[in-house]
Amino acid sequence: GENVEQHPSTLSVQEGDSAVIKCTYSDSASNYFPWYKQELGKRPQLIIDIRSNVGEKKDQRIAVTLNKTAKHFSLHITETQPEDSAVYFCAASMGGYSTLTFGKGTMLLVSP
Amino acid sequence: EAGVTQFPSHSVIEKGQTVTLRCDPISGHDNLYWYRRVMGKEIKFLLHFVKESKQDESGMPNNRFLAERTGGTYSTLKVQPAELEDSGVYFCASSQDGLAAYGYTFGSGTRLTVV
Repeated sequence: GENVEQHPSTLSVQEGDSAVIKCTYSDSASNYFPWYKQELGKRPQLIIDIRSNVGEKKDQRIAVTLNKTAKHFSLHITETQPEDSAVYFCAASMGGYSTLTFGKGTMLLVSP
Repeated sequence: EAGVTQFPSHSVIEKGQTVTLRCDPISGHDNLYWYRRVMGKEIKFLLHFVKESKQDESGMPNNRFLAERTGGTYSTLKVQPAELEDSGVYFCASSQDGLAAYGYTFGSGTRLTVV
């Protein structure tokens, strides 16, 4: 089955810096890669996703890149703010009725 | 619209006891999923309902876990008897269409602690 590795497990940055979280996946059939943000005590929320027919997608300060050949994808957050502090999960799926396989999560701490 | 609702939000039980978790999906969502996150590890799939039928229960760890979705509305996940390793956060998610991996909406989870 699919296996998703996520790094780093924790990431501390200063406000205004950029943050990058990287994930690799094992199953070349995966074609959908969402990122979820979970603030303390709240539900995981989808913040951005990318499908296998594109290499990069951007939404304001957040961007995701996908390299299908290398089977890795990354989340980039620019101009970080304290409210970006949360646990971020990457995931991979083959779409259809398949489920999501998650990475272990990255705790991002943004210091003012 | 109301989101995915889970309760209780927290549960502390003793080893050997029974606990039942409940999930109310978004109204009209046929697809309902249960996931679990053990401390510090990944969120792992448990099972997937389409309406009242179990589409995929390959992630259920053992026969101490029983999930039901009578009538295709809310779902329950019963753990009986609970063991220490069952501790974690249990998430429920729902989606509207058959492309189940698109547009998940998660609940806030139930934090289960088995002591």
